Formats: sequence, structure tokens, C-alpha cells
Amino acid sequence: GQQLNQSPQSMFIQEGEDVSMNCTSSSIFNTWLWYKQDPGEGPVLLIALYKAGELTSNGRLTAQFGITRKDSFLNISASIPSDVGIYFCAGRTSGTYKYIFGTGTRLKVLA
Amino acid sequence: NAGVTQTPKFRILKIGQSMTLQCTQDMNHNYMYWYRQDPGMGLKLIYYSVGAGITDKGEVPNGYNVSRSTTEDFPLRLELAAPSQTSVYFCATRDRGSTDTQYFGPGTRLTVL
Repeated sequence: GQQLNQSPQSMFIQEGEDVSMNCTSSSIFNTWLWYKQDPGEGPVLLIALYKAGELTSNGRLTAQFGITRKDSFLNISASIPSDVGIYFCAGRTSGTYKYIFGTGTRLKVLA
Repeated sequence: NAGVTQTPKFRILKIGQSMTLQCTQDMNHNYMYWYRQDPGMGLKLIYYSVGAGITDKGEVPNGYNVSRSTTEDFPLRLELAAPSQTSVYFCATRDRGSTDTQYFGPGTRLTVL
């Protein structure tokens, strides 16, 4: 089945550092979403993007909808230990109810 | 307001056994989804429903069945369990409207031996 490619697959960073991750697709999406999953729990929505080029922030998180509509980016500034988890992107095509999820970026923050 | 509840939390099945994974929501959301998450992987859509009486296949429906007789419940049935169905299963809901926010349950961890 189709999946979005996320990179990096995993990253170890020091507390206080900024983090960047991205998500690419061979298909165009009209909606891009970013989720965070803590161990043993379901994903929780962080940011939703609806327009090509859109830049949206949620606290220390900033996400962008790529202008080609085939990619999206997530930045986390000044990371803290509770940022640890798996970050997933997801895309949806207009007129459908289905979401395609990325492979995930596993983030570990060293205090 | 419990949100999305899933039962059981854990289950071990033998090959060929059947079981139903339960998903119940109290948010009156029209859309409900079943995903599976294999170790180290993202989520793959199994089935989804846009309302009571309406279901449709996702990316990986083979080996599963669903029903949606009420707005609240969306059970997922495995008829002949296979080792390839070992996974964590998540149910999610979404309200009708412009928002794409999906609310996920805590998951069911299934092992087929």
C-alpha cells in the first residue's frame, strides 16, 4: 500500500536543540497533518495544513505545506525531554475520507 | 466523556482462531476508522465508515470485516487469524465538517501464534 516517506527515520538530539523533519509523497495531497505518538498510546494531532505554502505554528512546533503539495515539513524549536516520541505525517486527498500515514520519525532527546 | 475506547487491550490468538476488536465512541462522530500499526511502521488503514450502515475498504482490508450498525460502535472482526495479523490496532473517529482531527483510541495489541 501507499505510504509517505519520512526522514530522518530516527534522531537523537540534545535538549534545547532545534529539530527538522520532512515527509514526501509521490502523490499530491490537499491536506497535510502532523501527529505525535507517545509509547503505548494512539497518535495525537499536532498541526493540520490546508493550503500549499501554508506555515502554521503550535507553540514550539511549526509545520509547512510544501508548494508542490507533495511534501510537508515539521520543525520543533528548543526541544525538551517530553518531545520524545514518534512523529507521523499524514495526507488526505480532497474528496476522500481516507488518510495515508508516513513511516514515522523517532525522536529521542538527551537531557 | 470517555472519547474512544477499545477492548481488549491485549490478546493472544492461535492461528485460525477468530475474534472481534471492539471500538466505541461517545463523541457522536460520523466517521470511524480502523488502522493497524506493525512494529516500527506507520499506520495503515484497514476499513473506515462515514456513518451507520456505511463501510468501505482501506489499504489493507484482507482478512478483516467490519460493521457499523450504530454511530457509537465500529467492531473489527478477524475470522481466521494469521501470524501476519500480529500488530497493534487503533480505532479513530472524526467529526463531520472541515476539521481533519482524528481522535485515536489507546489501541489493542494482538499477537497471533
